[in-house]
Amino acid sequence: NAGVTQTPKFRVLKTGQSMTLLCAQDMNHEYMYWYRQDPGMGLRLIHYSVGEGTTAKGEVPDGYNVSRLKKQNFLLGLESAAPSQTSVYFCASSPTGFTEAFFGQGTRLTVV
Amino acid sequence: DAKTTQPNSMESNEEEPVHLPCNHSTISGTDYIHWYRQLPSQGPEYVIHGLTSNVNNRMASLAIAEDRKSSTLILHRATLRDAAVYYCTGNYGGATNKLIFGTGTLLAVQP
Repeated sequence: NAGVTQTPKFRVLKTGQSMTLLCAQDMNHEYMYWYRQDPGMGLRLIHYSVGEGTTAKGEVPDGYNVSRLKKQNFLLGLESAAPSQTSVYFCASSPTGFTEAFFGQGTRLTVV
Repeated sequence: DAKTTQPNSMESNEEEPVHLPCNHSTISGTDYIHWYRQLPSQGPEYVIHGLTSNVNNRMASLAIAEDRKSSTLILHRATLRDAAVYYCTGNYGGATNKLIFGTGTLLAVQP
């Protein structure tokens, strides 16, 4: 049972480049979340999804887009990367939103 | 969205109990209170959650104030492996739940 898997684990981008982060969960969870964590800071919610085909904005959605075409996958896209998006990105999933959330190991993204 | 407030850091001695406080004065009646912890270079790990009643599991206990404006995570016997950042979070939004994190408490455990 893999749980929540994030791909890639590390990435360096140049300013203006685009990329997609993949989050995959094999627990049949309805809810999925994308967070960013800057050095020494807590987690901030970027976007989330309450089911296949749905997405919603979190606390810091600007500069990011998401898609949930399949229940098991939640994609986070950066269309034009900026140095301010240098961060560690965490994905999480939860069965109902009220119960335990499971987190991936994170993607460390550096934008130069 | 409602926010949680926690002390930035706390210290404990090994094998002693630890009480980690959290204020969530704006939480609504249907929002659950969750606690997670994060070890260095890892993703957050679920600890416990509750709504109104005190909760116990193998990792910790959660004491929720009667007015639900605050809660306390209790580690009954701290170990060196409990050194982490502990986040008190609110599960906000009713039908569209958003798990919103605060800044967390860095717990140091001294041998």
